[in-house]
Amino acid sequence: DAGITQSPRHKVTETGTPVTLRCHQTENHRYMYWYRQDPGHGLRLIHYSYGVKDTDKGEVSDGYSVSRSKTEDFLLTLESATSSQTSVYFCAIRAPQGKGHGYTFGSGTRLTVV
Amino acid sequence: QQQVKQSPQSLIVQKGGIPIINCAYENTAFDYFPWYQQFPGKGPALLIAIRPDVSEKKEGRFTISFNKSAKQFSLHIMDSQPGDSATYFCAASRGNTPLVFGKGTRLSVIA
Repeated sequence: DAGITQSPRHKVTETGTPVTLRCHQTENHRYMYWYRQDPGHGLRLIHYSYGVKDTDKGEVSDGYSVSRSKTEDFLLTLESATSSQTSVYFCAIRAPQGKGHGYTFGSGTRLTVV
Repeated sequence: QQQVKQSPQSLIVQKGGIPIINCAYENTAFDYFPWYQQFPGKGPALLIAIRPDVSEKKEGRFTISFNKSAKQFSLHIMDSQPGDSATYFCAASRGNTPLVFGKGTRLSVIA
């Protein structure tokens, strides 16, 4: 989607290896989010950021860490990938309340842990 | 604890029909209720959203009905088309807290 890109789009990795997913925005929005999407579970929040170096945990944060050193970039790291982390990962940015307050999602990263 | 419960899980309607997807929420402090549409292989996209100070909002063929006392809101798609076949998610949030999503409804509109 315009203003937000995720990389890579697809990745296959081995159990126990570290993996980093990148989210980049050009909208200068304060809030950024990482969700995972799994069949039967919908979208579940992993971590989110409300500013540079300001992050907080979501409902499924175990095994994940994040970093935000610049407004435009939000990184998600799987410290030691497990098969249960096979999923589709979406990054999102949020417009300010005065501009509708909606999320714009990236196109997703399909991660397979073998 | 599921804060937003969405139903049905799947829905099949004929072209021209009016599919209705329902969501119920627990937290009365929620003040923003959006619906997202997702096509296969794509990220969800904002479709329409409502605030609790109104009971209905229309955008094109899409309508949100909101019942504050029942803590429920629903999406209606008028004159549904095969191109509306997608997965739909309701969500809710309070202030700047992250959106909490329902589990999704897979809609199929058949010609």
